[in-house]
Amino acid sequence: DARVTQTPRDKVTEMGQEVTMRCQPILGHNTVFWYRQTMMQGLELLAYFRNRAPLDDSGMPKDRFSAEMPDATLATLKIQPSEPRDSAVYFCASGLNRGGGEETQYFGPGTRLLVL
Amino acid sequence: AQSVSQHNHHVILSEAASLELGCNYSYGGTVNLFWYVQYPGQHLQLLLKYFSGDPLVKGIKGFEAEFIKSKFSFNLRKPSVQWSDTAEYFCAVNSNNDYKLSFGAGTTVTVRA
Repeated sequence: DARVTQTPRDKVTEMGQEVTMRCQPILGHNTVFWYRQTMMQGLELLAYFRNRAPLDDSGMPKDRFSAEMPDATLATLKIQPSEPRDSAVYFCASGLNRGGGEETQYFGPGTRLLVL
Repeated sequence: AQSVSQHNHHVILSEAASLELGCNYSYGGTVNLFWYVQYPGQHLQLLLKYFSGDPLVKGIKGFEAEFIKSKFSFNLRKPSVQWSDTAEYFCAVNSNNDYKLSFGAGTTVTVRA
C-alpha cells in the first residue's frame, strides 16, 4: 500500500530557528504539492513541483520559505527564520500527472509545526 | 480560478441518519471533482472522485456523490452514517487543464452514537 511519508510528524521550535520538513512522494508519482492547513485559512497551496521542477510557489512567503526537490524521492520545505504565525500543519501530496487535470493527489500524514 | 463553497460548516446527526453535504463550484469549463475526508488528527484521504462518465460516483465507506453540471454541484451522500464517520469533509475542484485543486472550507460532521 503505497503512501506519502513525511518527517518529522511533530516539530516544536523557537522563533527564529530554521525548520526543515521532508516528504517522500509515492514511487512513480511525478508531482508534489505542499499545503499548509490552519483553522483560520483552511488548506493553502504553498508550492507545486512536476518532474522535480518548481512550477508554482506563489503561495509561499518568499522571504522565509523555500521548497526544493533534490531528487525524485525527496521534497523539502524549509522555513528560515520561523515565526509563530507559521504554526500549522504542513501536508505534502503527490500525484501522477499525464498532461491534464485528471490527477488525484494523495496526501501524507502531515507535519504539525509549533513555533514558540 | 475556481472557487468552491460548502454550504454547511458543521453538521451534527445521530447514527443511522442520512447525510448529505453540499458542494458548489464556480467554473464554466470541464472540471474534475473530489471529496476528501480528514479524520481527527489525521491526513486527508480520498473518498471519491469524478473525472467523466456516470455522474453518480461511488466511493469508499458507502459514500457517493452526484455531479449535476447544470447546478455546478457535487453533493456527497451517505444513506446511513456511523459514529466512525465523524470527520471533516472537503470538496475540491480543478479544471481539466489546471493542476491546482481549489478546496472548500470543509464541513465538520459529528455523528452521535
